[in-house]
Formats: sequence, structure tokens, C-alpha cells
Amino acid sequence: EIVMTQSPATLSVSSGERATLSCRASQSVSSNLAWYQQKPGQAPRLLIYGASTRATGIPARFSGSGSGTEFTLTISSLQSEDFAVYYCQQYNNWPRAFGQGTKVEIE
Amino acid sequence: QITLKESGPTLVKPTQTLTLTCSFSGFSLSTNGVGVGWIRQPPGKALEWLALIYWDDSKHYSPSLKSRLTVTKDTSKNQVVLTMTDMDPVDTATYYCAHSGLYSQYVVDYWGQGTLVTVSS
Repeated sequence: EIVMTQSPATLSVSSGERATLSCRASQSVSSNLAWYQQKPGQAPRLLIYGASTRATGIPARFSGSGSGTEFTLTISSLQSEDFAVYYCQQYNNWPRAFGQGTKVEIE
Repeated sequence: QITLKESGPTLVKPTQTLTLTCSFSGFSLSTNGVGVGWIRQPPGKALEWLALIYWDDSKHYSPSLKSRLTVTKDTSKNQVVLTMTDMDPVDTATYYCAHSGLYSQYVVDYWGQGTLVTVSS
């Protein structure tokens, strides 16, 4: 089974600053990686799929990169509504696997 | 517009069987490339993928839970049912159903609101 590891666990950032979140797969998942955003009390929302393609309606300040085992989610200029937990998920192999999440909090 | 909603008991006793229903609209589970999956999240913890059923009735399960899980679909009712046997307090979690197939049959795109299931005697 593939294990997804996210870092850091918590990221403290000020509004307007750039946030960089990392996700590593224990073996190659090609570009079959998605990023989800989850706010307290809400279901996750798909942000990025195919490692770098934004889902419909996702602002351009969210960008994804990487392939193989190393992936990055970048939020170019944090807005107040972006403070949340972010999960990566591989869909290259069964069973699907999520990372443990990165919490982006206000510094 | 794709919507999904989970329903079922909020409280189950240890050793009981949990049955959750995902009722959806805005798509058909008989359409090529469409799937419905189940994911859970214990309070304050990360997401855990459980199972997924596709339009062609193919099914995939988490290996660690496979012996306890069954997922079925009723295309005419627009419903997917997840059963989990031998429930334990560690199974306390919010259970989500989700759609895949908007971008790729492999990408989970829309999620239900989730339903909290507590396992306690």
C-alpha cells in the first residue's frame, strides 16, 4: 500500500503571504494526485487533480506541482478563507490513500 | 448539480452492523466512468478511504477493512449502501460518501455533508 506523508503538520502564515505545502508518496503515483481543502465542520472540497489541474471554480492563487513521489500545493497569497486543513490523496493505486493533512493557520 | 447525502444511525453499539445509505442526485450510477465512494474521518483526525463502487458494479475496498465492508448500489433509487460489520468504538467517525467521474473516474470530486456515527454501549 502507498503511504502519503504531508509536511509540515501545521503551517503558520499571515494573510497575503505565500504558503507551500508538501506531500510525498512512498512510491511513484505518476501525476495521479489530488489536493482537498477542509474547513471545520465541512466536507472536503476538491482543489487540484492530476497534480496540477485546478478543479472548476478554484481560484488561480492555488497551484499544484510535482510528479512521481514529490508534490507541492502553493497558495500564492493567502486569503482569510484559505485557513483550513489540506489533504493530498493518491489515486494511482488501490487502495486510495490520503495524507495526514496540513493545517494552515493564521500567524 | 451533483449532490449527495448520507443517512443512517447516529449511534450504534459495539459488535453491531452499521448500514449507511448515500442518496444522490445530478448523476446516474449507470453512466460509464461514474463511481461513488465512502471515506471516513474520526473526530480531529485525518481522512480514511474505505470503499468505492463503479457504474459497472466493480468494487474496491480498503484492505484493512475489507472483511467488514460491503458496498452495493441501487441504480433505480440513486442510492449506494455501505455496511460495516462488528462495529467498535474506534469506528466512531464522520462517514462521507462522494462522487467520482466528473474529471476522471478516479478522482473524487463532490462530497456529501457527512454523517457522524458514534459507537458506544
